[in-house]
Amino acid sequence: AQKVTQAQTEISVVEKEDVTLDCVYETRDTTYYLFWYKQPPSGELVFLIRRNSFDEQNEISGRYSWNFQKSTSSFNFTITASQVVDSAVYFCALEHTGGGNKLTFGTGTQLKVEL
Amino acid sequence: GAVVSQHPSWVICKSGTSVKIECRSLDFQATTMFWYRQFPKQSLMLMATSNEGSKATYEQGVEKDKFLINHASLTLSTLTVTSAHPEDSSFYICSARGQHRETQYFGPGTRLLVL
Repeated sequence: AQKVTQAQTEISVVEKEDVTLDCVYETRDTTYYLFWYKQPPSGELVFLIRRNSFDEQNEISGRYSWNFQKSTSSFNFTITASQVVDSAVYFCALEHTGGGNKLTFGTGTQLKVEL
Repeated sequence: GAVVSQHPSWVICKSGTSVKIECRSLDFQATTMFWYRQFPKQSLMLMATSNEGSKATYEQGVEKDKFLINHASLTLSTLTVTSAHPEDSSFYICSARGQHRETQYFGPGTRLLVL
């Protein structure tokens, strides 16, 4: 069975602080994909990153960075120098290629960035 | 990036009526479409997967006679909530995936309120 755990329900930070959102997953697949999505109050999901299970290289995109550790089944997301506009719910998701490409979402982390 | 639209974005209806939600892929052919439901402050839960021209596959616990899904063309899938009740009030999100696309593209969602 596929499972994604985001243990942090809510995080509050002050603007310009760095913040890391944790994601731990479970799967028996050898090939899978991991995602992060941002959901602002409007509700529309914003795609942030897609990572192949064979690619453990960390990635940086502007203020965003991702740390994929296959050994610990984690795919953590760090926002550097957070801004108020980063306030949203962030979802980690797992796509299992052997299951019709279904996405299993974590429960989400509500990030609040305050001035 | 690929664009997926949903219509309507908001719908309020009386208990017992049926509501149809449309999901369209605007710039690619969606061989597979997914329907999700999200209750307030909760994660996205997959309801069903539909492939163009065939019957939808429903997740466990989702009533197929209540949530009718039609994927009649490569650019349109519809979700009909039949005899809606207040407990069906939720945020419904579709996503679409093309044959040669590696990921799902999400629509903006439809908020349903059943009075």
